[in-house]
Amino acid sequence: ETGVTQTPRHLVMGMTNKKSLKCEQHLGHNAMYWYKQSAKKPLELMFVYNFKEQTENNSVPSRFSPECPNSSHLFLHLHTLQPEDSALYLCASSQDYGTGANVLTFGAGSRLTVL
Amino acid sequence: GQNIDQPTEMTATEGAIVQINCTYQTSGFNGLFWYQQHAGEAPTFLSYNVLDGLEEKGRFSSFLSRSKGYSYLLLKELQMKDSASYLCAVSESNYQLIWGAGTKLIIKP
Repeated sequence: ETGVTQTPRHLVMGMTNKKSLKCEQHLGHNAMYWYKQSAKKPLELMFVYNFKEQTENNSVPSRFSPECPNSSHLFLHLHTLQPEDSALYLCASSQDYGTGANVLTFGAGSRLTVL
Repeated sequence: GQNIDQPTEMTATEGAIVQINCTYQTSGFNGLFWYQQHAGEAPTFLSYNVLDGLEEKGRFSSFLSRSKGYSYLLLKELQMKDSASYLCAVSESNYQLIWGAGTKLIIKP
């Protein structure tokens, strides 16, 4: 399999549940990202990992917890979410981080609904 | 402050030409990106401009004017498969991307 793969594609959870989103890239990239995409809003950067180290955390609530065990895998652990957290969560990767022509390769996203 | 503006929605006819504009105000500039996103799919990279001028890539071209804080994506010979959202993003001085909300392009036969 090539590119960036996200699972699950769809997730419905209650506010007291704990779930995780998974992302895997087979591109040999060194940087991985979590973005939140809400309808008619710009993409919001949540977390960046470069060589497995977290380099950015854009004031994301602690109910979202990222994990990057190696350069190919990225997780987003979810607990006690709110209905306003319902959105499409996109994972992306890039060859490097902190360069100008930094092209992102995105996964198809995990559509999260919080009831 | 930081801001990227692009139209929310545009409609064009199959076979025609459409221009999607993007204006920006950011903290520094390290390049401007255009991505295409079909409904329910991943955004995919279309173009990157860092110098002023026009970059052509098949039916798609992207233009940049840094002094005006302005870019456009030009799509020629429109096809039905071009119906998608087009996202404009600017790389700031710290290389973080600032995104526009996207332009939904509807192609009619």
